[in-house]
Amino acid sequence: DSGVTQTPKHLITATGQRVTLRCSPRSGDLSVYWYQQSLDQGLQFLIQYYNGEERAKGNILERFSAQQFPDLHSELNLSSLELGDSALYFCASSVGDPMGETQYFGPGTRLLVL
Amino acid sequence: GENVEQHPSTLSVQEGDSAVIKCTYSDSASNYFPWYKQELGKGPQLIIDIRSNVGEKKDQRIAVTLNKTAKHFSLHITETQPEDSAVYFCAAFGNNRLAFGKGNQVVVIP
Repeated sequence: DSGVTQTPKHLITATGQRVTLRCSPRSGDLSVYWYQQSLDQGLQFLIQYYNGEERAKGNILERFSAQQFPDLHSELNLSSLELGDSALYFCASSVGDPMGETQYFGPGTRLLVL
Repeated sequence: GENVEQHPSTLSVQEGDSAVIKCTYSDSASNYFPWYKQELGKGPQLIIDIRSNVGEKKDQRIAVTLNKTAKHFSLHITETQPEDSAVYFCAAFGNNRLAFGKGNQVVVIP
């Protein structure tokens, strides 16, 4: 158990809908990262927050957004969902700002868009 | 941005033999190289990592080597056991983010 928690574990929704994925980092970790894992693309970095502020952005679509709250938990919002958004979404956390810091992954949320 | 490639995509080994997975990276400024193990239905779990100022690191049956000149790094698992069967991902930290390879399916045959 990495200490990173994610809810929900599974999510089934329809195209066009909006969902929110939640992540709680390990105790003491200030950075939260979001990744998307699909069969053909592997693990893709989406976005990173450090102590409430956006720090780095990867291949995140404009339909997706995230935030980190004062208690350091983070939410990833996915809107106008398409079939291709079906994937595993992982959250990871690390102690500080990423200059080669170890990232610990949560168990993931499996999203299925029908 | 950083591009990480992993080979081979699938590796089958007899229990007790060694397994080696190789990765190459593109950004010479990358300075941190973790390896993750992912079992079915679970998130990636860090198993070992290496920084660019070190050429080799070992932890029990697992070792990682880094060749900065050639821009490649490898994971070595000795005395493989059935519980080593999983997907292994290499990654490289560069340009302020972690870039992952596409993963290797390792199958340990009892």
